[in-house]
Amino acid sequence: EAQVTQNPRYLITVTGKKLTVTCSQNMNHEYMSWYRQDPGLGLRQIYYSMNVEVTDKGDVPEGYKVSRKEKRNFPLILESPSPNQTSLYFCASSFEGTGGTQYFGPGTRLTVL
Amino acid sequence: AQSVAQPEDQVNVAEGNPLTVKCTYSVSGNPYLFWYVQYPNRGLQFLLKYITGDNLVKGSYGFEAEFNKSQTSFHLKKPSALVSDSALYFCAVTDRGSTLGRLYFGRGTQLTVWP
Repeated sequence: EAQVTQNPRYLITVTGKKLTVTCSQNMNHEYMSWYRQDPGLGLRQIYYSMNVEVTDKGDVPEGYKVSRKEKRNFPLILESPSPNQTSLYFCASSFEGTGGTQYFGPGTRLTVL
Repeated sequence: AQSVAQPEDQVNVAEGNPLTVKCTYSVSGNPYLFWYVQYPNRGLQFLLKYITGDNLVKGSYGFEAEFNKSQTSFHLKKPSALVSDSALYFCAVTDRGSTLGRLYFGRGTQLTVWP
């Protein structure tokens, strides 16, 4: 089944404790993105990647890191999480043939205490 | 700069009535426009998109949207609403001239259809 998977789905952590949210897609898509969703703010793009080893900042990259070493994986790294990073995070993938249509993962709900 | 506006946080409509969820956009070039839907505790699902061609685009679940270049709008419509259409709807845009990985979303409109 074609899909985007994220792990973990739920995470509660404490300020300053490094964490990684994994994202994987099995559709051989070139593009991958991370978004955060906050009430009243919609979805804001954190980082996106056009292909392996090619990444760029979105609207809200501060406090986040990403890497794209393999085409299928695009992990989101929070080196020192803070409470304002409590949010719902979505990974998505797409390719030129979809005209930009993005396929979303199920989401990761992160709480930073 | 690219941006999307969804002027209504909430839209309420009775089942069987037509519904419209509004979206206006701003891009520097020609747009690709999208509508996504999010059901409670779920990820986003693609509904429809406009790339080129006919200004009226038909999508999933009986939804359609009309691209209006002069008004820079892409309103989502359905002739007869269902209770099951109740969800959070997002409009999104990217500039054809830029990378397709860069997508801008509106803040979302909560649609409630009452029986």
